Amino acid sequence: QSALTQPASVSGSPGQSITISCTGTSSDVGSYNLVSWYQQHPGKAPKLMIYEGSKRPSGVSNRFSGSKSGNTASLTISGLQAEDEADYYCCSYAGSSTSRVVFGGGTKLTVL
Amino acid sequence: QLQLQESGPGLVKPSETLSLTCTVSGGSISSSSYYWGWIRQPPGKGLEWIGSIYYSGSTYYNPSLKSRVTISVDTSKNQFSLKLSSVTAADTAVYYCAGNIAAAGAFDIWGQGTMVTVSS
Repeated sequence: QSALTQPASVSGSPGQSITISCTGTSSDVGSYNLVSWYQQHPGKAPKLMIYEGSKRPSGVSNRFSGSKSGNTASLTISGLQAEDEADYYCCSYAGSSTSRVVFGGGTKLTVL
Repeated sequence: QLQLQESGPGLVKPSETLSLTCTVSGGSISSSSYYWGWIRQPPGKGLEWIGSIYYSGSTYYNPSLKSRVTISVDTSKNQFSLKLSSVTAADTAVYYCAGNIAAAGAFDIWGQGTMVTVSS
């Protein structure tokens, strides 16, 4: 069982917005502003999309945004495009006394 | 622009030690602001953090793997390595090396990944 809980799948039509949740605990997501989100297309390496909860690396579309409330982080993708169809993983720092880095189980995004 | 490339055997026998190397190109592995890590992904499953190593030499490992994992750095070769002992079929996965360069708390560069199968 994964340390962070994500829905197994979400879907949306082109142009719509979707949100993927990532629920942790007060020991990881709730305690640190160090949640990151990764996009992974089949057969490819993960790509960083969001870090520090809401920051976008250079080159990542501003259609991707992140937020956090309590022990739950969220990734929102607006203006869905076909190329957004992929698996998405959240990740959180969990402190030096424990696992330090924990991933979510992943969410399959289908663009209808 | 930093790039990472994994290398190592694609097939390892049960009970033996899996050894992989990640070569860093386009920059120095020794920057005090970087850290490096290994992440794996079993076929059809999600990502699992294995461990990380910092410039200081400090290492942190996934508690579920800690007794079997060693991560080290060879600055002379601009490489860092993973050793996982006493492997079983459950260790069959794509292994990724990754680095934290400019994004706090995240891995912002990744290798392409290498598939390792544990089988006799």
